[in-house]
Amino acid sequence: RKEVEQDPGPFNVPEGATVAFNCTYSNSASQSFFWYRQDCRKEPKLLMSVYSSGNEDGRFTAQLNRASQYISLLIRDSKLSDSATYLCVVTDFSGGYNKLIFGAGTRLAVHP
Amino acid sequence: DTAVSQTPKYLVTQMGNDKSIKCEQNLGHDTMYWYKQDSKKFLKIMFSYNNKELIINETVPNRFSPKSPDKAHLNLHINSLELGDSAVYFCASSQERRRLYSGNTIYFGEGSWLTVV
Repeated sequence: RKEVEQDPGPFNVPEGATVAFNCTYSNSASQSFFWYRQDCRKEPKLLMSVYSSGNEDGRFTAQLNRASQYISLLIRDSKLSDSATYLCVVTDFSGGYNKLIFGAGTRLAVHP
Repeated sequence: DTAVSQTPKYLVTQMGNDKSIKCEQNLGHDTMYWYKQDSKKFLKIMFSYNNKELIINETVPNRFSPKSPDKAHLNLHINSLELGDSAVYFCASSQERRRLYSGNTIYFGEGSWLTVV
């Protein structure tokens, strides 16, 4: 089983649509959770952290369910500029040091 | 002002060659990383250094040797390149080595596209 699993997509949605991405992780000891965004041929950049109580940043809402080891990202009112790959990321604390474990990403294409 | 910069951005080389990728960060971070993103888009950690000390060494062939002359630099040298080494290599840095949380995240360089022919 992969450490972080995501639906690869692509999700093709019209502008203004609401789209949701899901992610599951295998390590119940993971402590921190993130969504990163990666544009084509660019480096990953932090989109938002994910907190247990759920959190919102503008049009983006992240949810975490520790019991189910499940993370979600909701994007409302999609913009053309939201087209990118969204990477679900969890931390793995082993050997006394944290490292980020990335999912393969879900590709989003927003069309006019 | 690029926070994490790596060179070269593109590298095409023949099998069997030895090549290096250089990385520098001007964020004052103590911890630096090398990640590899293969054709399936998985981004996997290879190495991590904290203040010039190797702290994470994933299962990576011995042909890959990181070198950190100081905490702002982490270079990656690859010997006897193979076709399977073709990938994008990302350098990254973070402030703290032990915890990665919302206030202490990783910043990536723009990536080095390595193609072995």
